[in-house]
Amino acid sequence: EDQVTQSPEALRLQEGESSSLNCSYTVSGLRGLFWYRQDPGKGPEFLFTLYSAGEEKEKERLKATLTKKESFLHITAPKPEDSATYLCAVTPGTYKYIFGTGTRLKVLA
Amino acid sequence: DSGVTQTPKHLITATGQRVTLRCSPRSGDLSVYWYQQSLDQGLQFLIQYYNGEERAKGNILERFSAQQFPDLHSELNLSSLELGDSALYFCASSVEAAGGFVDTQYFGPGTRLTVL
Repeated sequence: EDQVTQSPEALRLQEGESSSLNCSYTVSGLRGLFWYRQDPGKGPEFLFTLYSAGEEKEKERLKATLTKKESFLHITAPKPEDSATYLCAVTPGTYKYIFGTGTRLKVLA
Repeated sequence: DSGVTQTPKHLITATGQRVTLRCSPRSGDLSVYWYQQSLDQGLQFLIQYYNGEERAKGNILERFSAQQFPDLHSELNLSSLELGDSALYFCASSVEAAGGFVDTQYFGPGTRLTVL
């Protein structure tokens, strides 16, 4: 069964304290992995798409990496405005997208 | 702003009623996806339409239905509403390029449905 597991469920960081969020997946033939940021009561905001193991993408303080079994979202020197829920999703193609339940990140000033 | 619009933003109704949620995709996007997000739950895929035709179904209840119109906007109809249907409903759209290219979905702001 296709499945996405994100850890930790919640994370509290001090401003400037770098960390990583994990997304482990089981899917029959990964075609793409996506990271989104979601603020409370809002729609998910697209961050990155990764297609193959070894691929990396960066945007400001965020860097996403992909292996054959998991993806990491590295947050370098986070700021309070980075507080949000970060969602990971995978697709094996076939118009099917499976989302994880997210990591709730809180960055304290 | 993703370019995907959803109306209404909030909807409060009673059990047993029927409601319609509307979504307009980004300009140029042919695919529309509907998701349900309950409190502390992940995004649950409901249904996908491509250029007016149903493409894929997820865990969509029989009481729910959807359609995509010629102008590509989509509507999600929820009937015989129950308390448990209270949730955020999101629409997403993508280009749906040909050749097996994997699309990125862009999400709308959502409709918050409260069933009393």
